[in-house]
Amino acid sequence: DGGITQSPKYLFRKEGQNVTLSCEQNLNHDAMYWYRQDPGQGLRLIYYSQIVNDFQKGDIAEGYSVSREKKESFPLTVTSAQKNPTAFYLCASSMQGANTEAFFGQGTRLTVV
Amino acid sequence: KQEVTQIPAALSVPEGENLVLNCSFTDSAIYNLQWFRQDPGKGLTSLLLIQSSQREQTSGRLNASLDKSSGRSTLYIAASQPGDSATYLCAPLTQGGSEKLVFGKGTKLTVNP
Repeated sequence: DGGITQSPKYLFRKEGQNVTLSCEQNLNHDAMYWYRQDPGQGLRLIYYSQIVNDFQKGDIAEGYSVSREKKESFPLTVTSAQKNPTAFYLCASSMQGANTEAFFGQGTRLTVV
Repeated sequence: KQEVTQIPAALSVPEGENLVLNCSFTDSAIYNLQWFRQDPGKGLTSLLLIQSSQREQTSGRLNASLDKSSGRSTLYIAASQPGDSATYLCAPLTQGGSEKLVFGKGTKLTVNP
């Protein structure tokens, strides 16, 4: 089955720890995105990558880091510098270009304990 | 900076009713606009992609219209069913060098049996 897989579905982090959220796609998409969703705030863009080995900050990149070493994978690390990391994280991908559809994974819910 | 507004924020209707969800955006320089559905605790499911050169796009009971010059899109749902209950989000893909989706906060739809 083609699609986007996010893991884990639920993640718990102790304060001061870094955690990495996984996002893998087998759609042969060039572009990948990370969004954060908080209640009542909609989706906010954290980072995005349009090609391998290149990525750009979105609107709320502080406290997060990413890598894009392979086309299929775009992991997101939530660092200890992120002061309020509890949220629902969504990964998306699309083909490069203007007339393409974006597809989303099922999300990872991160909770700080 | 692209800003997206969705009205109403919440909508409750009886089963069988036809309804319209509204989306407005501030920057009309878009490539396309996508409508998504999100069920509680889940990722986003793409419903319709409407290109900037199109006026309408249809899929089953769903019809999306786009008036790019006025920065508006509507999602029409015919003969609503309880299974349509979800949050609906619109996202234009904005031009300008970095292709990224910007989301509204969504409309939470409840269809009562």
